Amino acid sequence: EVQLVESGGGLVQPGGSLRLSCAASGFTFSTYSMNWVRQAPGKGLEWVSYIRASDSTIYYADSVKGRFTISRDNAKNSLYLQMNGLRAEDTAVYYCARVGPKSYAMDVWGQGTTVTVSS
Amino acid sequence: DIQMTQSPSSLSASVGDRVTITCRASQSISSYLNWYQQKPGKAPKILIYAASSLQSGVPSRFGGSESGTDFTLTIISLQPEDFATYYCQQTYSTPWTFGQGTKVEIK
Repeated sequence: EVQLVESGGGLVQPGGSLRLSCAASGFTFSTYSMNWVRQAPGKGLEWVSYIRASDSTIYYADSVKGRFTISRDNAKNSLYLQMNGLRAEDTAVYYCARVGPKSYAMDVWGQGTTVTVSS
Repeated sequence: DIQMTQSPSSLSASVGDRVTITCRASQSISSYLNWYQQKPGKAPKILIYAASSLQSGVPSRFGGSESGTDFTLTIISLQPEDFATYYCQQTYSTPWTFGQGTKVEIK
């Protein structure tokens, strides 16, 4: 079964750091590009970051650039999001999602992990 | 950044109704437009990619079309399991942006 499982969320104070992980199974992880997408409470979806499978080209949303770092470990079938300098507005459910072969559509999603930034 | 304007923000419909949701891009995005369905407390699910291609396993009552920078998601005959929030997303250029969502509720 194709599956993505996020972990690492929690409560953190403003200015703090957190590292999210996404464990992939059921497919050849190294051949797929990956995204992080977040959703603040009661709000819509926001794309956060992308990492390409072929050459690890990386993109970030302006809202997280310079604070968040996406990475992957193909040997461990894992995707990561290192989040530093966290702000209240980073509070959200964070999803990892696989980028499918057409139109960069996200065809497999994890269940999400919740990050709460509060003092 | 490319802005995606989705309408309506919510609608009420009955089982069996035909439902149409529209997304307008602020500039040309070719056919790099995807549609997702999200149910409360769940992750989004891809329905349509490349504006009009039905994702494998998605019922054929869902369809997508495009006309210039206007994109439409149509549900031909609404079923009870279709009550959810729908999002469009452009993947023409980063930052990839979503519409604000359309909540489809039971009338």
